[in-house]
Amino acid sequence: GAVVSQHPSWVICKSGTSVKIECRSLDFQATTMFWYRQFPKQSLMLMATSNEGSKATYEQGVEKDKFLINHASLTLSTLTVTSAHPEDSSFYICSARGIPGQGGFGEKLFFGSGTQLSVL
Amino acid sequence: DAKTTQPPSMDCAEGRAANLPCNHSTISGNEYVYWYRQIHSQGPQYIIHGLKNNETNEMASLIITEDRKSSTLILPHATLRDTAVYYCIVSPPGTASKLTFGTGTRLQVTL
Repeated sequence: GAVVSQHPSWVICKSGTSVKIECRSLDFQATTMFWYRQFPKQSLMLMATSNEGSKATYEQGVEKDKFLINHASLTLSTLTVTSAHPEDSSFYICSARGIPGQGGFGEKLFFGSGTQLSVL
Repeated sequence: DAKTTQPPSMDCAEGRAANLPCNHSTISGNEYVYWYRQIHSQGPQYIIHGLKNNETNEMASLIITEDRKSSTLILPHATLRDTAVYYCIVSPPGTASKLTFGTGTRLQVTL
């Protein structure tokens, strides 16, 4: 079964509004989660690394004020797309890596099912 | 930048073995080789990973060359549901080690 739950699966919003995407690790604790974005027919691009209890680390070219990441607990990270515009329409995917020694999840990176964001 | 090279696409007949190659000539000694696949509009699915020994699980086999500069993912009996983009990724261990995706191989399984 799924070990990383991502919600919602899809969302349509008006330009200028904000959208929050949740990523939960099930069955294991994740001190680090990763957020990716994928445009049609392209590969996954890492946006940021979410660290529990501290600020996220953003990849070059990703606006941290636009893509707000919160990792308040060991099982939950959220990505908020603020003031969304049509060019933010994309497939957003979160992932989490288990902690070695915790039920065998270590070394594997598990992915959520993704969120398709469409901004009108 | 991704540290792996894969062919952009491959075809395989259903029931036959699919052998997907990956070149990772600059792999470091502590980096694992991971394979994931992504079926359209879904999140990537973990397939298998290894360090230097060959690995096998219920989904696939991973053959890593002795010099670790390349590997092959083997799907022993491909089915139509194996049609996906397959990504080969190298990454060091550790919970904070991110995975950088390349362009992957689009495997098309046909009747």
